[in-house]
Amino acid sequence: DAKTTQPPSMDCAEGRAANLPCNHSTISGNEYVYWYRQIHSQGPQYIIHGLKNNETNEMASLIITEDRKSSTLILPHATLRDTAVYYCIVCKAGGTSYGKLTFGQGTILTVHP
Amino acid sequence: KAGVTQTPRYLIKTRGQQVTLSCSPISGHRSVSWYQQTPGQGLQFLFEYFSETQRNKGNFPGRFSGRQFSNSRSEMNVSTLELGDSALYLCASNRLAGGGLPDTQYFGPGTRLTVL
Repeated sequence: DAKTTQPPSMDCAEGRAANLPCNHSTISGNEYVYWYRQIHSQGPQYIIHGLKNNETNEMASLIITEDRKSSTLILPHATLRDTAVYYCIVCKAGGTSYGKLTFGQGTILTVHP
Repeated sequence: KAGVTQTPRYLIKTRGQQVTLSCSPISGHRSVSWYQQTPGQGLQFLFEYFSETQRNKGNFPGRFSGRQFSNSRSEMNVSTLELGDSALYLCASNRLAGGGLPDTQYFGPGTRLTVL
C-alpha cells in the first residue's frame, strides 16, 4: 500500500473549518484514500473515503487532487469534540488488502475554544 | 445496527500468563482484523480472518494467534505474556463488498491489556 505523509499536529479555532492535508504521492490507480480519527484511547472511527472525486458526508468533506497525489480532509465547523488524531490511509479495494490497514503517525488536531 | 464489540474492555495480567480477547463483528460482516496499538509503535496490524481462515498476518511472533468462528466472531490469544505486550488491542470488522468496491473497516472500542 502507498505510504502517506501528514503534519504531526494542527490547531483550529472552534467553529472554524479544519483542513487536514495528506500527501500520498505513490498512490496507484486502484487505491482509495481513507480517513479515520481516534479520540483518546478509543477505537479509530471511520470518517470518509474516496477514489478520485470529491466526497462529502455528514461528518466531513474529502478533496482529492486531480493527480491523486494529495488530499485534504475538511471538517467544516470544528467543535471541541473533533480534537483527535486523524489518520490518512491508502488502501486497495476489492478485498485485496486482506484486512490490513497501514496507519502512520497521523495528525493531532487540537480544537481551541 | 450494533457496532463492533470487544470483551473484556480492560485486563490486567502478569508476565508468563496467557490471555484471550474476544471480538464480535457488526452483523453481516465476515472479515475481522486485529491490531495492536502502543505509544511507541502506533497502530500495527496483527492478522485478519475470513471464513474461519487466517488470510493475512502482520509481523508479530507466534505467541500471538487468533481464530474465527462460523458466526464470524473472533478471538485472539497471546501466550507467555511479556511486559511489552501491554497495549490497546483493537478489532475491526469489514463487510467485504466485493466487485472491486472499497472495503471499509469499522473498529471496536478495544481491550486495554496491562501486563505486570
